[in-house]
Amino acid sequence: KAGVTQTPRYLIKTRGQQVTLSCSPISGHRSVSWYQQTPGQGLQFLFEYFSETQRNKGNFPGRFSGRQFSNSRSEMNVSTLELGDSALYLCASSLTGGRRDEQFFGPGTRLTVL
Amino acid sequence: AQTVTQSQPEMSVQEAETVTLSCTYDTSESDYYLFWYKQPPSRQMILVIRQEAYKQQNATENRFSVNFQKAAKSFSLKISDSQLGDAAMYFCAYRSEHDKIIFGKGTRLHILP
Repeated sequence: KAGVTQTPRYLIKTRGQQVTLSCSPISGHRSVSWYQQTPGQGLQFLFEYFSETQRNKGNFPGRFSGRQFSNSRSEMNVSTLELGDSALYLCASSLTGGRRDEQFFGPGTRLTVL
Repeated sequence: AQTVTQSQPEMSVQEAETVTLSCTYDTSESDYYLFWYKQPPSRQMILVIRQEAYKQQNATENRFSVNFQKAAKSFSLKISDSQLGDAAMYFCAYRSEHDKIIFGKGTRLHILP
């Protein structure tokens, strides 16, 4: 079974631009969560989608948004990029997103904002 | 708000020795899950072990075991017979009934040959 895939793996953008990151979950998994990882803040939860609906949201500004498609693939979008958005963005999928479900992480997308 | 604290940013252990990584958390809830995740250099994060708060027995997965002290809100990870492949960043995480997962800042573990 293929693992969680994320595209692109690396991105370089400039301030003010917008970016879209993609995540394909493991086949059969309906929950996708997104995280931002930085050296200073560690891993921070962005949002979780289940069956095309946002089920949970972290404390990030409205510039960060996401969506999930009927095939469970998910995208996250960051508009008006700031230098502080430079980070590793991880997505994770699980069967239902329940507390006891194991989350399977993708390799991440490394975003650099210049 | 729930918080997870890993007080050791970095640790080193000799190969084949035992090491314990510390984690404390703060919550007012009684039903939750705790996890340890491993993130090897340039590789994907994987689940090492998980503990359900209402289970008193400490979870064990091969060389990995936890010491869960619910009253003290402590959840440490013990790695026995450390191997070079154990070198990684280890994250402690908490997940409540409301399903939002909270991670600690991580502990970078070095294995000395």
